[in-house]
Amino acid sequence: AQTVTQSQPEMSVQEAETVTLSCTYDTSENNYYLFWYKQPPSRQMILVIRQEAYKQQNATENRFSVNFQKAAKSFSLKISDSQLGDTAMYFCAFMMEYGNKLVFGAGTILRVKS
Amino acid sequence: KAGVTQTPRYLIKTRGQQVTLSCSPISGHRSVSWYQQTPGQGLQFLFEYFSETQRNKGNFPGRFSGRQFSNSRSEMNVSTLELGDSALYLCASSPARGPNSNTGELFFGEGSRLTVL
Repeated sequence: AQTVTQSQPEMSVQEAETVTLSCTYDTSENNYYLFWYKQPPSRQMILVIRQEAYKQQNATENRFSVNFQKAAKSFSLKISDSQLGDTAMYFCAFMMEYGNKLVFGAGTILRVKS
Repeated sequence: KAGVTQTPRYLIKTRGQQVTLSCSPISGHRSVSWYQQTPGQGLQFLFEYFSETQRNKGNFPGRFSGRQFSNSRSEMNVSTLELGDSALYLCASSPARGPNSNTGELFFGEGSRLTVL
């Protein structure tokens, strides 16, 4: 069975600074997807960034980028130029190549301070 | 395009009762999956439906069931409610499933907050 571990329950960052959220996972699969989802206090889960395991290049979306280390089974999220609107719970998630079942980590609460 | 719609948003039930939650996916999406979110257990997969068939099921007791209609709308039912069933129930939709069309992204609704007293 796949597992996802987020070892940082809470983190804080000053506005405009950079923060990195950690995630490790365990799987015996070779092809899969990894995600970072954001859940603001309003509760609706929003996709931040997606990485296909067969792609060596790290995904980037504007201020968000990942460091995907397949051999180490590590998938960290870097948020640059942090904004107050980035305050949310961030979930790392794993999905096998087939099907739509997400396995989530426990989440990291990120607080951006002004 | 309208997003994923879940109803009701909030509800309170007592132990032993049953509850039905509804989810309308994004138009054109055929896959609907359900997740339970609690402070203690986090986000856990309940089940996934595609083309009116349950395709995958999480590790939950038989009291949790679901179905999908021909228009892709889905319902989940919890019978004989227990205090531990208090949670935020999230529905997510996706266009399809399978190696050629699975981009992996799920689109989530705002959830139904169930409180069991």
